[in-house]
Amino acid sequence: AAGVIQSPRHLIKEKRETATLKCYPIPRHDTVYWYQQGPGQDPQFLISFYEKMQSDKGSIPDRFSAQQFSDYHSELNMSSLELGDSALYFCASSKRLGPLVRETQYFGPGTRLLVL
Amino acid sequence: AQKITQTQPGMFVQEKEAVTLDCTYDTSDQSYGLFWYKQPSSGEMIFLIYQGSYDEQNATEGRYSLNFQKARKSANLVISASQLGDSAMYFCAMRESLTGGGNKLTFGTGTQLKVEL
Repeated sequence: AAGVIQSPRHLIKEKRETATLKCYPIPRHDTVYWYQQGPGQDPQFLISFYEKMQSDKGSIPDRFSAQQFSDYHSELNMSSLELGDSALYFCASSKRLGPLVRETQYFGPGTRLLVL
Repeated sequence: AQKITQTQPGMFVQEKEAVTLDCTYDTSDQSYGLFWYKQPSSGEMIFLIYQGSYDEQNATEGRYSLNFQKARKSANLVISASQLGDSAMYFCAMRESLTGGGNKLTFGTGTQLKVEL
């Protein structure tokens, strides 16, 4: 079965540079989530999109922005990178079914970002 | 706010034995969902099993089962017949409904499981 695709898998950037992470959800999934997992930490919710519109925001820095395109892929844009942005960034996708129905988020393999 | 607690930072189990990973949660919602994910050292996050708050039966998926005790607010993962490939970090997570209509997952701090020969 098709899974969530993320690119690149690894990225090395210098401080103050920009980075763009891409996510291709599972076909027919309409919702995309972005999570950030710092070293030794649990994943933290950043932002989500439903049907190409921003749905909810979590602890996403103002330096970060994201969008979902007409083909449902999503991009996370990160500017003025800081050392603390070094983390594993996950994209997850799901099919929104309603509040009382099981909705499972399937995660991509993650993009490992290292800021030097 | 919802909270997930995993009190076992690390666990060891012998191959072919069963192991229980603990998870307790705190929420004021009547409808919620609980998930377990596995994260091997390679980093990917693999969905294992789901339990809905209204599900009357404990969830099972192959060698994984969830011991759901709603009154105690616990959702422990049981792995039967452990295999070397089960060595990984295991996260318990709760679905939280968001104002935008979607959900986010709130994770516990994880339990590192090591399966030994």
